Amino acid sequence: GENVEQHPSTLSVQEGDSAVIKCTYSDSASNYFPWYKQELGKRPQLIIDIRSNVGEKKDQRIAVTLNKTAKHFSLHITETQPEDSAVYFCAASQGAAGNKLTFGGGTRVLVKP
Amino acid sequence: KAGVTQTPRYLIKTRGQQVTLSCSPISGHRSVSWYQQTPGQGLQFLFEYFSETQRNKGNFPGRFSGRQFSNSRSEMNVSTLELGDSALYLCASSPSQGRLGDYEQYFGPGTRLTVT
Repeated sequence: GENVEQHPSTLSVQEGDSAVIKCTYSDSASNYFPWYKQELGKRPQLIIDIRSNVGEKKDQRIAVTLNKTAKHFSLHITETQPEDSAVYFCAASQGAAGNKLTFGGGTRVLVKP
Repeated sequence: KAGVTQTPRYLIKTRGQQVTLSCSPISGHRSVSWYQQTPGQGLQFLFEYFSETQRNKGNFPGRFSGRQFSNSRSEMNVSTLELGDSALYLCASSPSQGRLGDYEQYFGPGTRLTVT
């Protein structure tokens, strides 16, 4: 089955700096890659996603890049703010019938003011 | 629209007991997926139900089971609880009219299960 690895497990950045989280996946059939943000004590929320036919997608300060050949994708957060502090999860799905997501282990991001 | 709701929110059980958790999806959503979240194993897929049928299954033992009713509400059951079953159990709903990415999967607040 699919395996998703996520690095780093923790990331501390100064407010205003950029943060980058990287994930690799094993199943070349995976074609949908969402990123979730989970604040302490709250549910995961989708912040951005990308399909395998797209190399990059941006939404304000957040961007995701995908390298299908190398089977890795990354989340980029620019101009970080204290409210960006949370745990971020990457995931992969084959996108076939059904909604099965395989998650990475998570990255705890701390933005220091 | 009301969001995904899960009951109960917190639960304490003893090893060997069984437990049933409930998930009510967003109105109109027909797919319900269940995930287990632990500090050590992260978020792991348990199973997905669509139109009362299990459509996908993760790598969990048979002690973990689920079902879905005609109104799309779903329950999951864990029998013979073990200490390692202590976790946050999340459900997620989606309309499932197409592929993931064509629509968003919305998570519920979770049920925190503690096994003593």
